[in-house]
Amino acid sequence: SYELTQPSSVSVSPGQTARITCSGDVLAKKYARWFQQKPGQAPVLVIYKDSERPSGIPERFSGSSSGTTVTLTISGAQVEDEADYYCYSAADNNLGFGGGTKLTVL
Amino acid sequence: EVQLVQSGAEVKKPGESLKISCKGSGYSFTSYWIGWVRQMPGKGLEWMGIIYPGDSDTRYSPSFQGQVTISADKSISTAYLQWSSLKASDTAMYYCARAAVAGGEFAFDYWGQGTLVTVSS
Repeated sequence: SYELTQPSSVSVSPGQTARITCSGDVLAKKYARWFQQKPGQAPVLVIYKDSERPSGIPERFSGSSSGTTVTLTISGAQVEDEADYYCYSAADNNLGFGGGTKLTVL
Repeated sequence: EVQLVQSGAEVKKPGESLKISCKGSGYSFTSYWIGWVRQMPGKGLEWMGIIYPGDSDTRYSPSFQGQVTISADKSISTAYLQWSSLKASDTAMYYCARAAVAGGEFAFDYWGQGTLVTVSS
């Protein structure tokens, strides 16, 4: 698996902008995805191809990439965005998830 | 609507065998890969392996090679994850997830609801 590094936690107040980073050498060559996981639920895809948003995901979720780091941005974070967020990337037969970031919105 | 429906929670003893399932619907089951992901209590997501039901091509994470077996029955659109001898350390939530191959990458999109496996004497 690839090594993808995320901060363990990020905390913002409601309405503020939350930024979660994910770093790894593979990200310079391959796209990243972001998954949101709320307690007791399965992960949900919120960003793919670094910055694309699946249908049904609120516009406040966006993604960006620069070199070996990708960033998930939640503009105007809501209380319901409180969750664990995992980055993911893959190439050839190697797949890897970041360690996860717990986003607290309060 | 794409759905992955997993089998129910299991409670097993160390040394017992187990096979859990993941049934896909709402899409062509043989045209996408199915991956398995482990989440130990309070921990993150770990990729275990992935199978292409169309021809049963299977890849394993080095961390799980030899520890589990992944298979699929395309006639009933179902993928499986099995253990021959469970250990207490196998206690975890196990998710299946659909993956397309895009640009040489396995791209997970839809996930099953998870199967909780508890191994305890």
